[in-house]
Amino acid sequence: DAGVIQSPRHEVTEMGQEVTLRCKPISGHNSLFWYRQTMMRGLELLIYFNNNVPIDDSGMPEDRFSAKMPNASFSTLKIQPSEPRDSAVYFCASSKLEGDNSYNEQFFGPGTRLTVL
Amino acid sequence: GQSLEQPSEVTAVEGAIVQINCTYQTSGFYGLSWYQQHDGGAPTFLSYNALDGLEETGRFSSFLSRSDSYGYLLLQELQMKDSASYFCAVLVYGQNFVFGPGTRLSVLP
Repeated sequence: DAGVIQSPRHEVTEMGQEVTLRCKPISGHNSLFWYRQTMMRGLELLIYFNNNVPIDDSGMPEDRFSAKMPNASFSTLKIQPSEPRDSAVYFCASSKLEGDNSYNEQFFGPGTRLTVL
Repeated sequence: GQSLEQPSEVTAVEGAIVQINCTYQTSGFYGLSWYQQHDGGAPTFLSYNALDGLEETGRFSSFLSRSDSYGYLLLQELQMKDSASYFCAVLVYGQNFVFGPGTRLSVLP
């Protein structure tokens, strides 16, 4: 398996522009997570999906952020308009969560390093 | 609310044993995970404890005490390549993960 795939790997944009980050989870996984990592705030969960349905988006910073998962093999995280404080590494992770929570491993993608000027 | 505490930095020499502690306060708890992240890389899974006790996987072991809301990661026979950040993460009700702030481990020759 290719693992979790994210694109682009690096994105540099100007303040006010729209940014779309993409993620392809591991085939067969039923949960997908979007994280943001910065030196100041560490690794923060933004939103996660279970069976393509958003379960908890309380970590989404504000309305400028939106995420979709139209099918089991694709998800997007969009920032519109982008601001310099959005600069961070954004990770997508997928997991096959068992019903009894007996085994829970998240597989992370390589991340997208976003710089907003 | 959810909070996890870990030491910010730990330093040890090659061949030594190091223990990284994690204490947590969460509303709802299923289990405790540990992840390793090298600079510029993505977090990678090391272990998951749902029950009290010690889990051993090669040079790494992870311990959980649910009654104390405490766990640790034990790294034995340290190698230079173990220099990385280590995160504990709690799986909480709703099946999402809350990550600790991370511990930066430096292994010296």
